Amino acid sequence: KNQVEQSPQSLIILEGKNCTLQCNYTVSPFSNLRWYKQDTGRGPVSLTIMTFSENTKSNGRYTATLDADTKQSSLHITASQLSDSASYICVVSADNAGNMLTFGGGTRLMVKP
Amino acid sequence: EAGVAQSPRYKIIEKRQSVAFWCNPISGHATLYWYQQILGQGPKLLIQFQNNGVVDDSQLPKDRFSAERLKGVDSTLKIQPAKLEDSAVYLCASSLTGVTNEKLFFGSGTQLSVL
Repeated sequence: KNQVEQSPQSLIILEGKNCTLQCNYTVSPFSNLRWYKQDTGRGPVSLTIMTFSENTKSNGRYTATLDADTKQSSLHITASQLSDSASYICVVSADNAGNMLTFGGGTRLMVKP
Repeated sequence: EAGVAQSPRYKIIEKRQSVAFWCNPISGHATLYWYQQILGQGPKLLIQFQNNGVVDDSQLPKDRFSAERLKGVDSTLKIQPAKLEDSAVYLCASSLTGVTNEKLFFGSGTQLSVL
């Protein structure tokens, strides 16, 4: 069964600090891994999409890494801002027809002043 | 570019009542998805349309949920009758063609509370 596990479930950090969110998956065959940011009361917004051959991708202060051998990914947030407070969802796509996605449960990040 | 539009934003109903949600995807997007997101969990796919045809509805509780996309553009999702466990956010998403690796664009969702 395809699964995506994220840790921690929730995290509180001070503004300006860095943090790293983790994602482990068992989706097979692997096609791509995505990180989404979901603000409260809004739909998820794509941050990064990485395929098998990519092991790092950045989007501003967000840097995602992928280790396809260990089936792990991380999302690193640098110099956090209050607006980074949101849920971060890891999503993995299997290599078959169409966008069949398996969603993780998300990590809820709170950045405090 | 306009995003994915959903309405209503909030809906409160009593159990056993009926409810319908509406979604208008980004113009030109062939693929439309309905997801159910229970509080504290990731979204779960209910149904995926390619134009006006159903690609995947394996996780749609067909005894009470129905969805249509008659003209291949906007879509409605209906629940009849609603149960307490249907309380969730219903997200609509669209993508250009539906191929693997393509970005999905989500609407803001409809938050349903069943009392």
